[in-house]
Amino acid sequence: DIQMTQSPSSVSASVGDRVTITCRASQGIGSWLAWYQQKPGKAPKLLIYAASSLQSGVPSQFSGSGSGTDFTLTISSLQPEDFATYYCQQAHSFPITFGQGTRLEIK
Amino acid sequence: EVQLLESGGGLVQPGGSLRLSCSASGFGFSSYAMTWVRQAPGKGLEWVSVIGGDSGGIQYADSVKGRFAISRDNSKNTLYLQMSSLRADDTAVYYCAKYYGSDISGRRLFDYWGQGTLVTVSS
Repeated sequence: DIQMTQSPSSVSASVGDRVTITCRASQGIGSWLAWYQQKPGKAPKLLIYAASSLQSGVPSQFSGSGSGTDFTLTISSLQPEDFATYYCQQAHSFPITFGQGTRLEIK
Repeated sequence: EVQLLESGGGLVQPGGSLRLSCSASGFGFSSYAMTWVRQAPGKGLEWVSVIGGDSGGIQYADSVKGRFAISRDNSKNTLYLQMSSLRADDTAVYYCAKYYGSDISGRRLFDYWGQGTLVTVSS
């Protein structure tokens, strides 16, 4: 199975800050990576697919990059509604696996 | 508007069975693979199972293989998850989600999610 490891597990930031979350795969997955946002009590929401493609309707302050084993999600200027938990997911092969999540908190 | 509505969750004793349903609307249900993802209380996301648009392809996580069965009824726009031999570590919110395409080995992405149904396995 492909293991997905996110860092940090949690991060505190302020509105307007730039934040980067990292995801590392245990083996190469090309660009088969997605990012999801989940708010408390809500279902996850697809933000980024194919490592860097923005899902329709997702604000442009979100961006993704990387390939192979190392990937990043960047939020260029944090908005109040961006405080949530973020998960990466490898879409390369079965079993589909997620990272453990990164909780983004208000400083 | 795509809508996914799960039902069937509840309290069940260890070793028991439960069937979850996911009613879909707002898209061509039979043209898309569908999947189940679960989330234990306070924990991360765990993929459970996927079924192709024509039910031609099915995959399971090792943790549920042999105990859970995914199926769909395209005439009713409904996805199912039959769960048996339930254990305490199956306790979770179960989400159904729409796949990006019809083939389970295509884009393994989930673009729409339901709000989830809670399954609690406890005596």
